[in-house]
Amino acid sequence: DAGVTQSPTHLIKTRGQHVTLRCSPISGHKSVSWYQQVLGQGPQFIFQYYEKEERGRGNFPDRFSARQFPNYSSELNVNALLLGDSALYLCASRLSLGSNTEAFFGQGTRLTVV
Amino acid sequence: KQEVTQIPAALSVPEGENLVLNCSFTDSAIYNLQWFRQDPGKGLTSLLLIQSSQREQTSGRLNASLDKSSGRSTLYIAASQPGDSATYLCAVRPVETSGSRLTFGEGTQLTVNP
Repeated sequence: DAGVTQSPTHLIKTRGQHVTLRCSPISGHKSVSWYQQVLGQGPQFIFQYYEKEERGRGNFPDRFSARQFPNYSSELNVNALLLGDSALYLCASRLSLGSNTEAFFGQGTRLTVV
Repeated sequence: KQEVTQIPAALSVPEGENLVLNCSFTDSAIYNLQWFRQDPGKGLTSLLLIQSSQREQTSGRLNASLDKSSGRSTLYIAASQPGDSATYLCAVRPVETSGSRLTFGEGTQLTVNP
């Protein structure tokens, strides 16, 4: 069975550009969350979507946006890239929002802004 | 605001040793706590999920405990092997009505020497 898949695996962008990262959850999972992990730190929550509705937003600027599609896949968009946006972006999926559900993560997209 | 702390930040042990990684959190209103493993530049692999009503969970050589009232969890690794070398992250899922975000610690970087 396929796990959480993210694309692309690596990406290099120039300051000021925009980027779109993609995530496909585990089959049957309806919740997708996005996290940013800067080198040497723990992941920080960016967004969560469940059944195509936003269910949570972390402390990130409006340059960050996301959406979830009818097939439960998701995109994370970042506009006007800054050097500080360089990080590993992780996607997590859950079966539902039930209190006993486990989060499963993809392999991440390594974004480098130059 | 929920804060998660992991001690130590780094640990180096000889092969075969039993070891304990520590995780503490400031707000006991959590649904569950998850331990993850992260290899360099990779995504997160879920190791154990402990519900707030549970005291411990075991998987193979791993045993995780949870003391919600004191805001502490430990991950015990028995008979460590070089393949256990990785960063170990703990994350709590705070009680909230709308979503299921995780709050992470900064991780413990474990090196097991042959």
